[in-house]
Amino acid sequence: DIQMTQSPSSLSASVGDRVTISCRTSQSISTYLNWYQQKPGKAPNLLIYGASSLQSGVPARFSGSGSGTDFTLTISSLQPEDFATYYCQQSYSPPLTFGGGTKVEIK
Amino acid sequence: QVQLQESGPGLVKPSQTLSLTCTVSGDSISSVGYYWSWIRQHPGKGLEWIGYMYNSGSTRYNPSLRSRVTISLDTSKNQFSLKLSSVTAADTAVYFCARALPAMSYFGMDVWGQGTTVTVSS
Repeated sequence: DIQMTQSPSSLSASVGDRVTISCRTSQSISTYLNWYQQKPGKAPNLLIYGASSLQSGVPARFSGSGSGTDFTLTISSLQPEDFATYYCQQSYSPPLTFGGGTKVEIK
Repeated sequence: QVQLQESGPGLVKPSQTLSLTCTVSGDSISSVGYYWSWIRQHPGKGLEWIGYMYNSGSTRYNPSLRSRVTISLDTSKNQFSLKLSSVTAADTAVYFCARALPAMSYFGMDVWGQGTTVTVSS
């Protein structure tokens, strides 16, 4: 299985801050990396697919980058509705695996 | 607008089979290219992929669950289902169904059901 390591596991930030979340995989996955946002009691929501493609309807303040084993999700200016948990997920090879999540909290 | 909705028992006894159905609206489950998926989330934990079925009938399962899992499609009802046998308390989780996009979109899961909580207890 491809192991996913997300960091940090949690962070505190203020509205307007630039936030960066990292995801590292145990082997190269090209750009088969997706990012999701999940709010409490809700299903995950696809933000980024293919490491850097913005899903339709997702605000442009979200962006993704990386290839191989190192990936980054960036929120350029954190908004109140962005406080949530974020997960990376590899789709290169089954079993599909998720990172452990990064909880973004209000400072 | 495509929507998915899970349904099934919220309580299952140990050693029995967990059965859930996902009803798809707004699109045909026979649409080419999509992967109809199940994912679960243990209480307070992260996400675990269970498996998916392609509309050709091919399936892929998580090896950790493969011996107990079956995913199937019912095109006449526009539904797909999950069966997980010999359940234990460790199978207590929120179960989500989701649609994964074709390979050109890197199999991102773009539509999810709201999730259904399944508790395994006697």
